[in-house]
Amino acid sequence: SQQGEEDPQALSIQEGENATMNCSYKTSINNLQWYRQNSGRGLVHLILIRSNEREKHSGRLRVTLDTSKKSSSLLITASRAADTASYFCAREGRDDKIIFGKGTRLHILP
Amino acid sequence: GAVVSQHPSRVICKSGTSVKIECRSLDFQATTMFWYRQFPKQSLMLMATSNEGSKATYEQGVEKDKFLINHASLTLSTLTVTSAHPEDSSFYICSAPDRKFSTNNEQFFGPGTRLTVL
Repeated sequence: SQQGEEDPQALSIQEGENATMNCSYKTSINNLQWYRQNSGRGLVHLILIRSNEREKHSGRLRVTLDTSKKSSSLLITASRAADTASYFCAREGRDDKIIFGKGTRLHILP
Repeated sequence: GAVVSQHPSRVICKSGTSVKIECRSLDFQATTMFWYRQFPKQSLMLMATSNEGSKATYEQGVEKDKFLINHASLTLSTLTVTSAHPEDSSFYICSAPDRKFSTNNEQFFGPGTRLTVL
């Protein structure tokens, strides 16, 4: 399969809690990107982390990358109802192709 | 930042007809564009790479005669779903990398086209 693996497939947490999603891949990468998608809508680019970077922050988002383990994680702190969405990691390879993981459906409970 | 548009945003057609979807880079040139398909509750699957001035390259399992791709200019790629059937109903999304606006090799995604084949 061209896709990477993400876990969990679905995650429900209480508003205010932190949400962590993980992503693994198999081939070498130029960078790894995280996207959000609300139901039936387009993609929203969240963060891009290069292969030579280990951690990146953007507001309440924190992304880590471990190229030795071929894995990445996305942490959303102090979750809000508006964070309810599907989250995808996507790896960009040497050929510029972006291959998406299967995604995590995040549901923030009020 | 760079913007990619798609047209139409939504299309409903009868089985057996052909449907053309356009992907445009609005403020940058894109020698390469990518087409994805997304079924409900699933992830995006890369279908093909559209190359300006040459043939598209298709991912394994994607029928090139069914999904015709034409990259006629540096700002436009079209995907034509030929003889569409209900199983082709999906969300089609294009993307393009822009080296001018992005120093991080970021790709810019269109808003998607929802195709429903009756």
